[in-house]
Amino acid sequence: SAVISQKPSRDICQRGTSLTIQCQVDSQVTMMFWYRQQPGQSLTLIATANQGSEATYESGFVIDKFPISRPNLTFSTLTVSNMSPEDSSIYLCSVDRLSSGANVLTFGAGSRLTVL
Amino acid sequence: QQPVQSPQAVILREGEDAVINCSSSKALYSVHWYRQKHGEAPVFLMILLKGGEQKGHDKISASFNEKKQQSSLYLTASQLSYSGTYFCGTETSGGSYIPTFGRGTSLIVHP
Repeated sequence: SAVISQKPSRDICQRGTSLTIQCQVDSQVTMMFWYRQQPGQSLTLIATANQGSEATYESGFVIDKFPISRPNLTFSTLTVSNMSPEDSSIYLCSVDRLSSGANVLTFGAGSRLTVL
Repeated sequence: QQPVQSPQAVILREGEDAVINCSSSKALYSVHWYRQKHGEAPVFLMILLKGGEQKGHDKISASFNEKKQQSSLYLTASQLSYSGTYFCGTETSGGSYIPTFGRGTSLIVHP
């Protein structure tokens, strides 16, 4: 399965600033997914990023707050804009692959963001 | 629609068994199971697609009931390495193929 690298692995940020998280995959993939995992909570899909088109956002997430870039088939970035303490979470990048005839997810290790 | 996982947490001693349940109010297309160790990425364990299906490897197995609304993950003779948070992810028929995850079950195995 794909190997996913995320940067930064963790960061502490000030309220009102923005942070860009990078996700690099070791193979070309059609779709990349960005998830948020709030402390002790589930994995919540933020958006799906396709190369060459605008990302598709899930309900409750908007492009102005979480702009995404997907410049090629191995790389994507997620920006968390105008951060507040409520944005403190782990942000995970993932890609899908076929297993047993179905699509399953491979995740990066995540970027742990703390907003003060 | 988010699946419901139970229990929220399990504490075991090595060698004991555990069952984690995942249920939905709708019939499901598939159930995924993932394990996440603290500070690490969630890792795919297995996927079940057919009603009545059971599958597993080593001493971790799972079932998908005939109505395809409930799945259980079975951990037999638990090892310390089984500790982590287990998530089920479900796909509904006609929905996106991206799974919706439950809130997770924290499993702690003590020596």
